[in-house]
Amino acid sequence: DTEVTQTPKHLVMGMTNKKSLKCEQHMGHRAMYWYKQKAKKPPELMFVYSYEKLSINESVPSRFSPECPNSSLLNLHLHALQPEDSALYLCASSQLANTGELFFGEGSRLTVL
Amino acid sequence: KNEVEQSPQNLTAQEGEFITINCSYSVGISALHWLQQHPGGGIVSLFMLSSGKKKHGRLIATINIQEKHSSLHITASHPRDSAVYICAVNSGGSNYKLTFGKGTLLTVNP
Repeated sequence: DTEVTQTPKHLVMGMTNKKSLKCEQHMGHRAMYWYKQKAKKPPELMFVYSYEKLSINESVPSRFSPECPNSSLLNLHLHALQPEDSALYLCASSQLANTGELFFGEGSRLTVL
Repeated sequence: KNEVEQSPQNLTAQEGEFITINCSYSVGISALHWLQQHPGGGIVSLFMLSSGKKKHGRLIATINIQEKHSSLHITASHPRDSAVYICAVNSGGSNYKLTFGKGTLLTVNP
């Protein structure tokens, strides 16, 4: 199994809603990432988890809250988002944070109304 | 100036043609990634290279560390190869320190 699975594929939410994005991998990878991608732009790193601990937060606003409940699962909790947060949110994993090929998920397309 | 430059930005080919996409970078790297993204879709990792050449099916990737240059070749191109191809480099020894190129939009016509 070389897949990174993200759910939901599409999400529409209002600015007062609370929702979560989920990412799962069963490759035994110990590093997991959240990226944000706007249209026609390269992905921007948001968070890095290494061995289930947050190791990098790229100055992301607190309305985005990551969580890594176990080595296979990564969540991104969303609250009080702004319309400009609408984007494709990509999850990735690799064997370790400093080595190994990156495997990306298909992404969750978020629209904030 | 972006640390990772890709050329061309857009490429249109006829089915069956040999395709080359180039990537040049200006920093020391530990690895270079070639990624594929179909419109509106997620990203697929095609290759991770630190030296030499790799081949998967019709795709070939090469890297010249001394010249700070990599190429992605597609042989016998097919319309399903139409996608954005992105070059990204690890410059700090850590996967998360990826610097992305702006991508090359490839369109293969039948």
